[in-house]
Amino acid sequence: QKEVEQNSGPLSVPEGAIASLNCTYSDRGSQSFFWYRQYSGKSPELIMSIYSNGDKEDGRFTAQLNKASQYVSLLIRDSQPSDSATYLCAVTKGGGGNKLTFGTGTQLKVEL
Amino acid sequence: ETGVTQTPRHLVMGMTNKKSLKCEQHLGHNAMYWYKQSAKKPLELMFVYSLEERVENNSVPSRFSPECPNSSHLFLHLHTLQPEDSALYLCASSQEGAETQYFGPGTRLLVL
Repeated sequence: QKEVEQNSGPLSVPEGAIASLNCTYSDRGSQSFFWYRQYSGKSPELIMSIYSNGDKEDGRFTAQLNKASQYVSLLIRDSQPSDSATYLCAVTKGGGGNKLTFGTGTQLKVEL
Repeated sequence: ETGVTQTPRHLVMGMTNKKSLKCEQHLGHNAMYWYKQSAKKPLELMFVYSLEERVENNSVPSRFSPECPNSSHLFLHLHTLQPEDSALYLCASSQEGAETQYFGPGTRLLVL
């Protein structure tokens, strides 16, 4: 079982729609959860972090965490073509510290 | 310069060459990381330096040799690499104990 699992996509959504990106993780002791955005040929850029169950909103982005189900998601409202990128889910392993484990990423395409 | 910088941005080397990748962070952080990103694979953590001491070596072959002379600079020395080592090598930094990592633009390495 992969430590952090994401559907590789591509996920295609029309402009203005809500994009929903999902991630599951295997280590029940994972403490912190992150979403990075990576444009083609560029480095990952942190867009959201979440640490406790529930929703966290930042502009058009909402992160959702359900530790019981070992599931974290990212919603992008009013999707724009500029949101087209690969979205990487990352978690810190149980025990804390700053060692991130990444998923393979989901490619999002926002179509005009 | 701001953020995290990496040089060179692109590197082509033969299997018998020796080269070094350089990373510099201008964020006042005291932890630095090397990651490898290959196609279709998740980001793989290679090395972690915290307060200039190596605290993580994720079973990386000895043909990769890191060096951290101070908290702002990180090197990855390469020798007798294999074609399967071709990948994007990313440097990141953070504050020790903080989980948010900031990535450099990466070095695209091709081993012939």
